[in-house]
Amino acid sequence: EVQLVESGGGLVQPGGSLRLSCAASGFTFSSYSMNWVRQAPGKGLEWVSYISSSSSTIYYADSVKGRFTISRDNAKNSLYLQMNSLRDEDTAVYYCARESEWLVPPYYYYGMDVWGQGTTVTVSS
Amino acid sequence: EIVLTQSPGTLSLSPGERATLSCRASQSVSSSYLAWYQQKPGQAPRLLIYGASSRATGIPDRFSGSGSGTDFTLTISRLEPEDFAVYYCQQYGSSPVWTFGQGTKVEIK
Repeated sequence: EVQLVESGGGLVQPGGSLRLSCAASGFTFSSYSMNWVRQAPGKGLEWVSYISSSSSTIYYADSVKGRFTISRDNAKNSLYLQMNSLRDEDTAVYYCARESEWLVPPYYYYGMDVWGQGTTVTVSS
Repeated sequence: EIVLTQSPGTLSLSPGERATLSCRASQSVSSSYLAWYQQKPGQAPRLLIYGASSRATGIPDRFSGSGSGTDFTLTISRLEPEDFAVYYCQQYGSSPVWTFGQGTKVEIK
């Protein structure tokens, strides 16, 4: 079964740090780009960060740039998000999501086709 | 930065009715890079449509996507009880890499 399982969420004080993990199984993890997407309580979805399959390309949303670091270990089938200098507004459910591409000649199509169940991060004093 | 605006914010319909959801982009978006997701309370999002009109694996054919340029539509031909949820459009760009619309809630009338 294709699966993503996040862990590492919890309660942290403003200014603190947290490391999220996402364990992949059921597919060739090293072949896929991955993303972190978050959802604040009662709000919509917000893309956070992207990492290519080989880690050669990384992007961040402006809201987390300089504070969050995405990484992966293809040998361990794992994705990570190191979150530093956390703020109240970082409170959210954090999802890892697999990015797939489909070739429908002559175009490539993209989407996030596998999601984890999410891990909750609460930033509060 | 491309902004996606979804309308309406809430759609109140009865089972069996047709739902038409709109996603408008602030500038032209390649159809290749437009996707739709469904999210139910307490669950992760689920990919419905990619490439503006291609159904993802296992998605019933009552779901269809269309559009190009700045205007895209998700249509649910006949609402089933399990279709009442929040729907998001999403576009794949450069910076930020992915952008979501604010969502449309389809609720039971």
